[in-house]
Amino acid sequence: DVKVTQSSRYLVKRTGEKVFLECVQDMDHENMFWYRQDPGLGLRLIYFSYDVKMKEKGDIPEGYSVSREKKERFSLILESASTNQTSMYLCASSLPLGFEQYFGPGTRLTVT
Amino acid sequence: GEDVEQSLFLSVREGDSSVINCTYTDSSSTYLYWYKQEPGAGLQLLTYIFSNMDMKQDQRLTVLLNKKDKHLSLRIADTQTGDSAIYFCAETALEGGKLIFGQGTELSVKP
Repeated sequence: DVKVTQSSRYLVKRTGEKVFLECVQDMDHENMFWYRQDPGLGLRLIYFSYDVKMKEKGDIPEGYSVSREKKERFSLILESASTNQTSMYLCASSLPLGFEQYFGPGTRLTVT
Repeated sequence: GEDVEQSLFLSVREGDSSVINCTYTDSSSTYLYWYKQEPGAGLQLLTYIFSNMDMKQDQRLTVLLNKKDKHLSLRIADTQTGDSAIYFCAETALEGGKLIFGQGTELSVKP
């Protein structure tokens, strides 16, 4: 059974803190994605990666960075968290030519 | 840029049919998807359709694609309370490529 796991379901951080969100997949997928989900806006792509050490900006990369040192792990980093980054963060993975993305359960981040 | 639009809410009674609509702007869309998100969970692929198809049926689900009008719909027959969820329409032009999602339609099924 395919599995994408995220390090935390709920996270509360203070403004200015550095925040790490971790995502791990056990399907040997090359592609990995980070989205944020906000009511009325759907899912918006932050960053994605097609291979180890490769990264591409999505639609809303400002204020975020990513790291992919191993194939199975894709980390999202908020260098200095701000209140407008309070959101649900979803990680996904897929095969290079696979049409289905598999999603993790999400991390609900609150920045106070 | 590419855009995908959905209405935000739909309420139906148990046993009725639900129809969730979606419009998109990218004429090079190759794959169109419906994802389902149950409360507190990530997204799960419900069904998909290739752009060279007009219709796809899978048990209680019927997907209709009008490529000329760039309109996609999902019909759920005999809607049950367990179908209450947020339904996202999404499209991509490339296999393995990034998905463009709509805002999501929250389906509420009343007994």
